[in-house]
Amino acid sequence: DAGVIQSPRHEVTEMGQEVTLRCKPISGHDYLFWYRQTMMRGLELLIYFNNNVPIDDSGMPEDRFSAKMPNASFSTLKIQPSEPRDSAVYFCASNENRGSPLHFGNGTRLTVT
Amino acid sequence: AQSVAQPEDQVNVAEGNPLTVKCTYSVSGNPYLFWYVQYPNRGLQFLLKYITGDNLVKGSYGFEAEFNKSQTSFHLKKPSALVSDSALYFCAVRDFGRKGAGGTSYGKLTFGQGTILTVHP
Repeated sequence: DAGVIQSPRHEVTEMGQEVTLRCKPISGHDYLFWYRQTMMRGLELLIYFNNNVPIDDSGMPEDRFSAKMPNASFSTLKIQPSEPRDSAVYFCASNENRGSPLHFGNGTRLTVT
Repeated sequence: AQSVAQPEDQVNVAEGNPLTVKCTYSVSGNPYLFWYVQYPNRGLQFLLKYITGDNLVKGSYGFEAEFNKSQTSFHLKKPSALVSDSALYFCAVRDFGRKGAGGTSYGKLTFGQGTILTVHP
């Protein structure tokens, strides 16, 4: 299995631009999570899906952030418009069920100038 | 609300010595507890988990952790540290005491702030 695949690995954009991060979970995993990691705040859960349905989006910072999971093999996290404070590493993770460990992708390092 | 605390930002040990990385948790129901490790420029990797059963859990790379319900702790340990163990370690908890009511914390995994482990040669 190729694991959780995220793209791009690095994204540099200017303030105000739209950013789309992509994730392909491991096949057969029912849960998908989006996390953000920064030095100041550590790992923050943004949103998670179960069977493609968003369950908890209370961690999404504001309306500029949106996430979709149109099918079991693909999810996107979109920031529009982006701001410098959105600079972070964004991780996608998936797992089979509630008791199984998460499998993380290698993350997307976002820099907003 | 569930939470996880890792009281030490950094832990330094000499190679060959035992290591402990501390973790305490707070949940309203029965906890599922996890340890993950993160190497530079990589995602988190699963080390071990406690769900039920024996309080001493063995995991990858010689690591183990002890679940202590009375102290609400789940400390990570290794009898003999290696330089290659140097990394960022995260403790995490998932609450399964409530089953889907409101859907707000069903399956949600909460991470601690992380502890940087440095093993000196």
